[in-house]
Amino acid sequence: GAVVSQHPSWVICKSGTSVKIECRSLDFQATTMFWYRQFPKQSLMLMATSNEGSKATYEQGVEKDKFLINHASLTLSTLTVTSAHPEDSSFYICSASSVGVDTQYFGPGTRLTVL
Amino acid sequence: GESVGLHLPTLSVQEGDNSIINCAYSNSASDYFIWYKQESGKGPQFIIDIRSNMDKRQGQRVTVLLNKTVKHLSLQIAATQPGDSAVYFCAEPIAPGGYNKLIFGAGTRLAVHP
Repeated sequence: GAVVSQHPSWVICKSGTSVKIECRSLDFQATTMFWYRQFPKQSLMLMATSNEGSKATYEQGVEKDKFLINHASLTLSTLTVTSAHPEDSSFYICSASSVGVDTQYFGPGTRLTVL
Repeated sequence: GESVGLHLPTLSVQEGDNSIINCAYSNSASDYFIWYKQESGKGPQFIIDIRSNMDKRQGQRVTVLLNKTVKHLSLQIAATQPGDSAVYFCAEPIAPGGYNKLIFGAGTRLAVHP
């Protein structure tokens, strides 16, 4: 149980374009989903927290207009990187949790490369 | 500020040996800790967790020890195997508004040599 998927697993795009990443909880209802970014050889950095049906809460320093998060259902959250630039190239990982569950279950990650 | 950190960035062990990965935390009110394993190019995988009312918890080949006096926890892996090679993170949930945000330590890379 507690399986989280992400799509796509990797994406290459041109600078200035937008990229959408999907995060799905496959076997449980995720009341809360989290989006992280991870640069090589570094720890995970939380970008935002989203609750189903509510606006996402962004961490300090994360541009909400650049990283659009939608959590329309209890099994799906999306992260859209708008007007991507090479510095946005990173490994983006989502996680999901439910009410009363302390543990987060992570997706496999999405490698974004912006040319 | 509150943080969860690691003592050793890299640990090299021989296959079959036991591995010990350490983690220090600063918030004495912390009551729950999680260890994650992250293989290259993959998302973190839950290994084991422990609550502050316990000093020790065992899983399959893994044991987590919690020392609240010195605010330290460790992950012990018995009979380390090549498949254990990964980066290991300790994490602590903080629940402002009940959203259970996690703070991750810097991570320790475990390299298992044959």
